[in-house]
Amino acid sequence: DAGVIQSPRHEVTEMGQEVTLRCKPISGHDYLFWYRQTMMRGLELLIYFNNNVPIDDSGMPEDRFSAKMPNASFSTLKIQPSEPRDSAVYFCASSPSLLPGGTSGYTFGSGTRLTVV
Amino acid sequence: GEDVEQSLFLSVREGDSSVINCTYTDSSSTYLYWYKQEPGAGLQLLTYIFSNMDMKQDQRLTVLLNKKDKHLSLRIADTQTGDSAIYFCAESSPISGGGADGLTFGKGTHLIIQP
Repeated sequence: DAGVIQSPRHEVTEMGQEVTLRCKPISGHDYLFWYRQTMMRGLELLIYFNNNVPIDDSGMPEDRFSAKMPNASFSTLKIQPSEPRDSAVYFCASSPSLLPGGTSGYTFGSGTRLTVV
Repeated sequence: GEDVEQSLFLSVREGDSSVINCTYTDSSSTYLYWYKQEPGAGLQLLTYIFSNMDMKQDQRLTVLLNKKDKHLSLRIADTQTGDSAIYFCAESSPISGGGADGLTFGKGTHLIIQP
């Protein structure tokens, strides 16, 4: 398996533009998570899905952020309009269960580094 | 307050042992994890410990668990430049606001290796 695949790896955009981040989870993993990582706040859980259904989006910072999972192999995180304070690394992770056993944990993608200027 | 707490930075000399500490809050955690994040990469599972154990050793890595104090540590023997990374502690506890148990991560400890 190629692991969790995220695209793009880097994104630079101007303030006010729409940004779409993409994720392909590991096949067979029922859970998908979106995280944001900044130096100041560390790793923050934004939202997670179970079987393509959003379960908890309480970590989404504001209405400018939205996430979808139209099928089991694809999810998007959209920011519209983007602001400089959204600059961060965004990670997608997938897991066969919400509480994995010790041998797996959550599998993370390589992340998308977003810079909003 | 934080569910999982770690210090942000640790600096050690190459060849010395590194000890990265973590405190957690959920005494019912079944597994506790250490993840490693190398520069420009995602988090990778490094090791884990089951809650009924107090120590686990894997080559240069030693995990110590003190359930009474809810304290977890990761010791890296003979620290090398390739160990330079961010290390995340994670516990199984209610994640976000949903109430269901999942993995809750600390903010990560940046391990800096001095030559």
